[in-house]
Amino acid sequence: GEDVEQSLFLSVREGDSSVINCTYTDSSSTYLYWYKQEPGAGLQLLTYIFSNMDMKQDQRLTVLLNKKDKHLSLRIADTQTGDSAIYFCAESMYNSGYALNFGKGTSLLVTP
Amino acid sequence: GAVVSQHPSWVICKSGTSVKIECRSLDFQATTMFWYRQFPKQSLMLMATSNEGSKATYEQGVEKDKFLINHASLTLSTLTVTSAHPEDSSFYICSASGSGGANEQFFGPGTRLTVL
Repeated sequence: GEDVEQSLFLSVREGDSSVINCTYTDSSSTYLYWYKQEPGAGLQLLTYIFSNMDMKQDQRLTVLLNKKDKHLSLRIADTQTGDSAIYFCAESMYNSGYALNFGKGTSLLVTP
Repeated sequence: GAVVSQHPSWVICKSGTSVKIECRSLDFQATTMFWYRQFPKQSLMLMATSNEGSKATYEQGVEKDKFLINHASLTLSTLTVTSAHPEDSSFYICSASGSGGANEQFFGPGTRLTVL
């Protein structure tokens, strides 16, 4: 698919909020996702948002969606060292049976 | 939640040999399974989509004769890398969908393939 863009690296201090941004490509995507990948591991679905929503909150996670600008963000409140990982945003691709088109991932480093 | 397993988790093989990777949905029936490939510090790239009982649909640039996909049942899909070469070394991840809303896909833990 076309490129889903993410910043590659983010460093925050423990206890601060982290905001990871993503620009997606397919305006017909029904769902947009955030996945977390720890070193050497598979993907863990963190949260998703339906395209007719503009915000979703799930405990420490807040997803904001600007459909007009095709912009998605993930805010992690009170970031912990255990949140250090790579975060991927992904859009579902209707024309590929809803396979996911991933961004390159944002490496989040949380320092004490 | 739904669980997807992959086997083996890692494999090292000699150039020219074939390697089979299994992807299983353990507690749900997966109507669709996807195979992705991830290079170091890169994103996941979709290789193919398979539906149970039918031929896989490959993404552009993925050789179907090299990466054989079989989705024989609603809980098992296999990816066979035929005549593997060092450039096939990668992290292969499968996902399965069919049980949840949000077109949700459940990902396996991945298989690290190293071809010597």
